Amino acid sequence: GQNIDQPTEMTATEGAIVQINCTYQTSGFNGLFWYQQHAGEAPTFLSYNVLDGLEEKGRFSSFLSRSKGYSYLLLKELQMKDSASYLCAAMDSNYQLIWGAGTKLIIKP
Amino acid sequence: DGGITQSPKYLFRKEGQNVTLSCEQNLNHDAMYWYRQDPGQGLRLIYYSQIVNDFQKGDIAEGYSVSREKKESFPLTVTSAQKNPTAFYLCASSIGQGVTDTQYFGPGTRLTVL
Repeated sequence: GQNIDQPTEMTATEGAIVQINCTYQTSGFNGLFWYQQHAGEAPTFLSYNVLDGLEEKGRFSSFLSRSKGYSYLLLKELQMKDSASYLCAAMDSNYQLIWGAGTKLIIKP
Repeated sequence: DGGITQSPKYLFRKEGQNVTLSCEQNLNHDAMYWYRQDPGQGLRLIYYSQIVNDFQKGDIAEGYSVSREKKESFPLTVTSAQKNPTAFYLCASSIGQGVTDTQYFGPGTRLTVL
């Protein structure tokens, strides 16, 4: 079956760095997406990886290892506004997104 | 401003009533999607449409219906046959389906069935 695993909740301190991991098993693979979702709001697109390696975009970076079925989202210089859920989604061979349940990130001052 | 709109943000209905959730986009996207989000679970695909007058069932289509008469609009009807309709409903669109296009989401409608 198809499956996405990510931690349910993580806590970090303002100004610090946090890494949110995601492992996936899909029928075929057409890339890995990360979205941010504040409570009660729509998910907003953060990053897309299809090749192995690290993609950096400001304070946020995303890494992919296709051989290991593994990705992470790295958030640097954490700000209080980064408190949100982070959703990992893998695109399968039919171009359908398989979603993880999301990781709730709590930032403490 | 281009974007996706969903209305209303909150919707209350009595058990046994059908209800239609609206989704409109002015991004000129061909593909549109409906997802359901429940606490502790990933987004689950209800229906998707790649082109006007065509749509496909997703993983949890039972108790739901859609139409795609216009490119901009993809309304979802939650019927009385849906056993547990209370949820957060998200509409999304992308340039096309069948390619690795990013999906962009509307603000969502929270449906509560009393």
